Amino acid sequence: DAGITQSPRHKVTETGTPVTLRCHQTENHRYMYWYRQDPGHGLRLIHYSYGVKDTDKGEVSDGYSVSRSKTEDFLLTLESATSSQTSVYFCAISESTGEGTEAFFGQGTRLTVV
Amino acid sequence: GDSVTQMEGPVTLSEEAFLTINCTYTATGYPSLFWYVQYPGEGLQLLLKATKADDKGSNKGFEATYRKETTSFHLEKGSVQVSDSAVYFCALSDNTGGFKTIFGAGTRLFVKA
Repeated sequence: DAGITQSPRHKVTETGTPVTLRCHQTENHRYMYWYRQDPGHGLRLIHYSYGVKDTDKGEVSDGYSVSRSKTEDFLLTLESATSSQTSVYFCAISESTGEGTEAFFGQGTRLTVV
Repeated sequence: GDSVTQMEGPVTLSEEAFLTINCTYTATGYPSLFWYVQYPGEGLQLLLKATKADDKGSNKGFEATYRKETTSFHLEKGSVQVSDSAVYFCALSDNTGGFKTIFGAGTRLFVKA
């Protein structure tokens, strides 16, 4: 298994509170991604990073921010959690070697906003 | 923008039946195409991939051929097993800055003994 650890694995939080999810990798891969998985939507990209302090938005970035201060860590913050952000969040990593570069996924974090 | 459309599920088959899961894509460039599989309670893992037109990806008895003329990448297996029960995702990677992967909605497969 690729060395990707997500924490926490499960979290219940109240509406309006900030929440931070952590992704840690031991592979020294350049690219890191945060996706959310919802029924009927597959996985949708929230934010991604292409290096330390280099990040960009995905298709569903509203209400989320990210930070990457070290190669191995990529943090996802929900600034003020809402019920629509109840989802399963996956971190992924990849090391671009050109065409066909695959992504490796963490085990996921199940977040419930009540 | 780029997108992936795959057949809705769930798909329910008996063991040893033939499987097809349809996938089509829209892309402005020359993407790489993937099938990922997700078993219950786990993250996604790569099943197979193809990087250019007419390439065939294969793994564990599953196959898919990159058809540029029909913009398709259908997943097939000749004889499914109960252990193949999972959610299957078709995906493309844009092969440009960020190498972002775009996923279809997923197709859940149930295989009955």
